[in-house]
Amino acid sequence: EPEVTQTPSHQVTQMGQEVILRCVPISNHLYFYWYRQILGQKVEFLVSFYNNEISEKSEIFDDQFSVERPDGSNFTLKIRSTKLEDSAMYFCASSGGQGATQPQHFGDGTRLSIL
Amino acid sequence: GEDVEQSLFLSVREGDSSVINCTYTDSSSTYLYWYKQEPGAGLQLLTYIFSNMDMKQDQRLTVLLNKKDKHLSLRIADTQTGDSAIYFCAETANFGNEKLTFGTGTRLTIIP
Repeated sequence: EPEVTQTPSHQVTQMGQEVILRCVPISNHLYFYWYRQILGQKVEFLVSFYNNEISEKSEIFDDQFSVERPDGSNFTLKIRSTKLEDSAMYFCASSGGQGATQPQHFGDGTRLSIL
Repeated sequence: GEDVEQSLFLSVREGDSSVINCTYTDSSSTYLYWYKQEPGAGLQLLTYIFSNMDMKQDQRLTVLLNKKDKHLSLRIADTQTGDSAIYFCAETANFGNEKLTFGTGTRLTIIP
């Protein structure tokens, strides 16, 4: 069964540094998402992306965050200047094949630790 | 805004049925989902139900939806040790293409 893959599985970064989290969505999907889960808290929506632009973003997704689909397969989340409170598990998801809508399928996540 | 609530813990004896409950506030919720998260893994889609349905069965899983009370439940029949995980309820107003709002997750522990 096709999968969403995320790399790296764990990223450790110094506060203030830039970090890029990478995702390869399911190949025929058209809608892409990032969520995060701070330890012990709910999974929270960050941003959705369709047709090469952001379709919705949450209050969390401020100017420090950006997303990009640099080629036909990758979907990235960049945090420009990381803060301690950015430490969380970040999940990528994708949905929506051609001619039909589908539920969101998630990757295994990237654990981001900010020191 | 939307809110989804679940109890945090559930312990069940192996072989018994598990019932995980969820309540939501958004009356425009169209699709409701159950995701499973095993330790160190991502969110695995288990099943989903459209808001015009009352029940959906898929092998050992039964989803019940009470739209009037905004209450969703997931029943796992003949619970096995492999069912140990965190189970998340989630809702969206549009099938697949809008943001999911998740509950807190219920940690299911199986007692041998």
